[in-house]
Amino acid sequence: DVKVTQSSRYLVKRTGEKVFLECVQDMDHENMFWYRQDPGLGLRLIYFSYDVKMKEKGDIPEGYSVSREKKERFSLILESASTNQTSMYLCASTAGTASGANVLTFGAGSRLTVL
Amino acid sequence: QKEVEQNSGPLSVPEGAIASLNCTYSDRGSQSFFWYRQYSGKSPELIMFIYSNGDKEDGRFTAQLNKASQYVSLLIRDSQPSDSATYLCADTDTGSARQLTFGSGTQLTVLP
Repeated sequence: DVKVTQSSRYLVKRTGEKVFLECVQDMDHENMFWYRQDPGLGLRLIYFSYDVKMKEKGDIPEGYSVSREKKERFSLILESASTNQTSMYLCASTAGTASGANVLTFGAGSRLTVL
Repeated sequence: QKEVEQNSGPLSVPEGAIASLNCTYSDRGSQSFFWYRQYSGKSPELIMFIYSNGDKEDGRFTAQLNKASQYVSLLIRDSQPSDSATYLCADTDTGSARQLTFGSGTQLTVLP
């Protein structure tokens, strides 16, 4: 089974802190994604990456950045956390082949609270 | 902006009944449709996807797609308490997850 592992399940940070959320997948997937999930708003795409060092903005990239230095690892960075970034963050990956490119496998999620 | 709309529920059905979950989408160019199940406190997991008009069955689950009406549904036959979860509908107008648009989900409770 594909495994997508997020390093932290729960984090509590203070306003203005820099926050790193780490995600690692073990199936050699080309594509990796960061979503946030909020009640009533569903899943919203923050950033995705289709190759090492490559990234594209999703629907809500403001206040976030990402890093993909290795194929298996995709990091989400909050340069200066704010209270409105309190949310559940979900990492996901997909294969690069046409048949697998649209089926997301998610990590367990990281619940971030910014005080 | 593309939209995928779902009734947030909660939807309650008795055990053994058919649960019907509905989703409408705004983009007529959408080609692929997905149903994810998300248990409370867990991450979403794919149940089914459908590309063609009509029905697609997988065990107790049936996905129905009507592109003319821009409507996709998920039927769960013989509902079980273990089916209690939030069901997310998503679509894409390409073959890629990069352009997936998710609905906000419908919370289903199956009552024993």
